[in-house]
Amino acid sequence: NAGVTQTPKFRVLKTGQSMTLLCAQDMNHEYMYWYRQDPGMGLRLIHYSVGEGTTAKGEVPDGYNVSRLKKQNFLLGLESAAPSQTSVYFCASRDNDSPLHFGNGTRLTVT
Amino acid sequence: ILNVEQSPQSLHVQEGDSTNFTCSFPSSNFYALHWYRWETAKSPEALFVMTLNGDEKKKGRISATLNTKEGYSYLYIKGSQPEDSATYLCAFWVNDYKLSFGAGTTVTVRA
Repeated sequence: NAGVTQTPKFRVLKTGQSMTLLCAQDMNHEYMYWYRQDPGMGLRLIHYSVGEGTTAKGEVPDGYNVSRLKKQNFLLGLESAAPSQTSVYFCASRDNDSPLHFGNGTRLTVT
Repeated sequence: ILNVEQSPQSLHVQEGDSTNFTCSFPSSNFYALHWYRWETAKSPEALFVMTLNGDEKKKGRISATLNTKEGYSYLYIKGSQPEDSATYLCAFWVNDYKLSFGAGTTVTVRA
């Protein structure tokens, strides 16, 4: 069982560049989430999806876009990266009444 | 953004000693509380899902209690071992979709 897979694991971007982070889950979960983790801040919700074709804003959505064209995939896009987006990004999925299943994270550095 | 607070931020425990720490959350409109264990260089893993006032959950040497009326949950580690070293996160369900995380309590067990 792969569970939740995030790609890439690491990335370095220059300010203004764009990129897409991919999250894939093989558990047929309805709900998917993107979090960022910064020192002393805990996990903060960027965007989430309650099903294929749906997305919604979380606590810190600015500078990010998401898409959920297929149930198993949840993409996080940065159109114009900024140093403030240097962080570790975690994707998670769940089904009704279940806890979150997390991916292994993507460490992004924006210089 | 709901305020989920964890204390202390960090603690050091001698191997074999027991310890506990707190998660506090808004007591109104309670839906569910999760505890996660997050080891360095890994992703968070679910420990407990707690839904009812007075809930007590146990997993090996780790247990948790829940008081929804006063808005707190305790996590207990009995007879701490070095492998218990991790950051323990609590998360409060805002509604059926959104989970708000505390900043975590980092436990270091000294051999």
